[in-house]
Amino acid sequence: DAGVTQSPTHLIKTRGQQVTLRCSPKSGHDTVSWYQQALGQGPQFIFQYYEEEERQRGNFPDRFSGHQFPNYSSELNVNALLLGDSALYLCASSLAPRKGRAYEQYFGPGTRLTVT
Amino acid sequence: EDQVTQSPEALRLQEGESSSLNCSYTVSGLRGLFWYRQDPGKGPEFLFTLYSAGEEKEKERLKATLTKKESFLHITAPKPEDSATYLCAVRKGGSEKLVFGKGTKLTVNP
Repeated sequence: DAGVTQSPTHLIKTRGQQVTLRCSPKSGHDTVSWYQQALGQGPQFIFQYYEEEERQRGNFPDRFSGHQFPNYSSELNVNALLLGDSALYLCASSLAPRKGRAYEQYFGPGTRLTVT
Repeated sequence: EDQVTQSPEALRLQEGESSSLNCSYTVSGLRGLFWYRQDPGKGPEFLFTLYSAGEEKEKERLKATLTKKESFLHITAPKPEDSATYLCAVRKGGSEKLVFGKGTKLTVNP
């Protein structure tokens, strides 16, 4: 059973550049959430996608955008990178909520982004 | 505002020395409390979901419990391979996002 996969593993970018991170959900899952984890902190919710639409968004600026494809995979795009965007970016997959049932989120290994 | 506080920030145990980690939360309409384990440089690994006060879940040396204000992760006779950061997260009604605490870094010495 394939788990959540993310690419690339590591990435180094310069301030002002743009970056795209990719995520494939766990087999059978149709919902993808993205989180940012700074060193020594818990993950912070960026947004969630299902049915190819952004369903919920956390307190992140518009520089952070995403997309979900028909095969449920997802991309996270960050424009005009700042030094403070350096973090571990985590993708989590789950089943979409149905009839009030909440499902567990399973995380991928993350992409370590360093902005210099 | 929804808040999750974990204590202690760090905990050192000797192998076989049982202890508990605490997660206190403030959230309106709790719709699930989640425990994850995270190894350095890796993504969180799902451990447990608790939905209502009084509920308990067990897995090997770990046992999670839930009250109306907090959750405990009990570790019985830990081994060095239990060393990791343990994260607690909550989800409230009407929301799909997880709100995480900062975690407790557990070190188990042989």
